[in-house]
Amino acid sequence: SQKIEQNSEALNIQEGKTATLTCNYTNYSPAYLQWYRQDPGRGPVFLLLIRENEKEKRKERLKVTFDTTLKQSLFHITASQPADSATYLCAVLSAAGNKLTFGGGTRVLVKP
Amino acid sequence: NAGVTQTPKFQVLKTGQSMTLQCAQDMNHEYMSWYRQDPGMGLRLIHYSVGAGITDQGEVPNGYNVSRSTTEDFPLRLLSAAPSQTSVYFCASSPEKNTEAFFGQGTRLTVV
Repeated sequence: SQKIEQNSEALNIQEGKTATLTCNYTNYSPAYLQWYRQDPGRGPVFLLLIRENEKEKRKERLKVTFDTTLKQSLFHITASQPADSATYLCAVLSAAGNKLTFGGGTRVLVKP
Repeated sequence: NAGVTQTPKFQVLKTGQSMTLQCAQDMNHEYMSWYRQDPGMGLRLIHYSVGAGITDQGEVPNGYNVSRSTTEDFPLRLLSAAPSQTSVYFCASSPEKNTEAFFGQGTRLTVV
């Protein structure tokens, strides 16, 4: 089964800097990979989806890359703000597209 | 627009009791799923459904039952609660395969 690995250590970063999070998967290369944001006591909220034939995807200050050779996705938050402080989850869709497998998430803390 | 609604938000059960966690969505989504989230474990899929009348097991189905009699509702039943089922439970829905998931606010369940 697919395993998704994210850095479990919290990422502390200064406001205005770029935060970079890593997501590694161990089995087959998924056709689709997603990133979610989760705030304490809330459900995850979808941020971005990237397809295997897309190297990079951007949405406002967010950028996601997808390297099927390395079996890795990177998630960047540029010009980070304290409001970006949250846990970020990586998830991959099954081959049938009907199930999501999540990583454990990386907590980001942006300090003013 | 309510999205995905879960009830109750909090519940305490005694070992051996049964209960049903409710999940309803008003977006006419075909796909619905139940996850549990434990510290350090990320989100793990319990059961999922790709349409009314169709359900299947996820990664951790033991101790849980589901049914999908309508497109809108996807209840999760605990037949005989155990302390190991203490967790936060999230319901999610998606319009179709290979698309983003919309999550509810979660149900925090404690089994004593």
